[in-house]
Amino acid sequence: ELKVEQNPLFLSMQEGKNYTIYCNYSTTSDRLYWYRQDPGKSLESLFVLLSNGAVKQEGRLMASLDTKARLSTLHITAAVHDLSATYFCAVDPGNQFYFGTGTSLTVIP
Amino acid sequence: GAGVSQSPSNKVTEKGKDVELRCDPISGHTALYWYRQSLGQGLEFLIYFQGNSAPDKSGLPSDRFSAERTGGSVSTLTIQRTQQEDSAVYLCASSFKGGQSGANVLTFGAGSRLTVL
Repeated sequence: ELKVEQNPLFLSMQEGKNYTIYCNYSTTSDRLYWYRQDPGKSLESLFVLLSNGAVKQEGRLMASLDTKARLSTLHITAAVHDLSATYFCAVDPGNQFYFGTGTSLTVIP
Repeated sequence: GAGVSQSPSNKVTEKGKDVELRCDPISGHTALYWYRQSLGQGLEFLIYFQGNSAPDKSGLPSDRFSAERTGGSVSTLTIQRTQQEDSAVYLCASSFKGGQSGANVLTFGAGSRLTVL
C-alpha cells in the first residue's frame, strides 16, 4: 500500500524562527506537490516539484525534492503568523493523488 | 468558469436519505477528482474521471456511493441511504492532465460539507 507520511503532524513555532516539514513517500514518483489549507477553507497549490533535486521558493517557504530518498522538505524561514495553516504534500504515480497526513502549523507571536 | 464550483456548500440530512453533490470544474480541465476529508483528517480518494475514459472508482467506500460526469464537464456524487459515518467535507478538484510540463496541478473547489444526523 502506498504511503505518504509527514512529520511533524503538529507544529507550533514562534514568529521569526525557522523549521522544516518532512514528507516521505513509499513509491517511485518524479513529481511531488505541496498544498496549503487554511481553517475551514479548501486546498490551494503551493509548489510543484517535477524532478530530482528540484527546489522552489516562494516568500518564506522553500520546497525541495529528493526522488532517490523519496523525500521532500518544506522549509519555513522566519515564520510569520500568516503562515499558520495545514500543509499537505502529495504524489500522483497513477490515476489518483496520494496525500500526506498533513502538518498543522501554528505560528505564535 | 474561473474556478471549481461545488454545491451545496452545506448539507444536513437525516440518516437513510439520499444526497447529491455537484461539481462544476474549470472549463477545459480533462481530469476531475472527488476526495473526502473527515474532521481533522487527511484526504481520502473517492473517484477519478479523465476525459472519455472509464472512471477509476477504486476509492468509493461502498456501493452506496456513485458518481457520474456528464459531457466531460459537470460531475455529481450521489450517496444513497446516508449513514452518520458519511459526514465529512467532500472536495472536488480538476486539472488539465497531459500538459507538456508533466505537472498535474489540482484546483480544488470550496467543498460540500455533509452532516448526517
